[in-house]
Amino acid sequence: NAGVTQTPKFQVLKTGQSMTLQCAQDMNHNSMYWYRQDPGMGLRLIYYSASEGTTDKGEVPNGYNVSRLNKREFSLRLESAAPSQTSVYFCASSFYLSSDSLFGLGPGTRLLVL
Amino acid sequence: QKEVEQNSGPLSVPEGAIASLNCTYSDRGSQSFFWYRQYSGKSPELIMSIYSNGDKEDGRFTAQLNKASQYVSLLIRDSQPSDSATYLCAVMEGGADGLTFGKGTHLIIQP
Repeated sequence: NAGVTQTPKFQVLKTGQSMTLQCAQDMNHNSMYWYRQDPGMGLRLIYYSASEGTTDKGEVPNGYNVSRLNKREFSLRLESAAPSQTSVYFCASSFYLSSDSLFGLGPGTRLLVL
Repeated sequence: QKEVEQNSGPLSVPEGAIASLNCTYSDRGSQSFFWYRQYSGKSPELIMSIYSNGDKEDGRFTAQLNKASQYVSLLIRDSQPSDSATYLCAVMEGGADGLTFGKGTHLIIQP
């Protein structure tokens, strides 16, 4: 049981390049999320997917697109990278009941845009 | 917009003392509350979660929740230098909205 996995772990891009961050979870969670963390900040929600086939914008969606490929996988795409997108990106998944909830956080992808 | 507020610190505590970290949240519908520890350059790791009013203890850590006051805290007893890190408070309303994180409190345990 690997939990939430992310690839790549580290990436350097030039301004204007595109890339896709991959995320997978093996916990059978319905909901998945992409966050970014900048220095001195908490994690901010970029996009989320409540269930397979649905996606919604979070707090900071501009410059990103997402795809919920299936229940396990949720990818984040940068079409034209900008230096402001230099950040650490975390994928997460969750399971919620009225009396309990589980939230799994991935190891992160460090992205540097030059 | 949901907000989670934490004092950014740094909070300096002598080794062996109790460190008290506080967090307030804006959404009264919040159901689940989490504390994460994050070392510099590393990913956050879950310390504790709490869902009901009152205290929840796990080893040297105690989480306290007061939903009426919209307040959650984390106490670290017998603080060790290895506890020096940034502590993130996170709140979940429920359903599929995910966690809303605070900016974190930087804790320094002085030997």
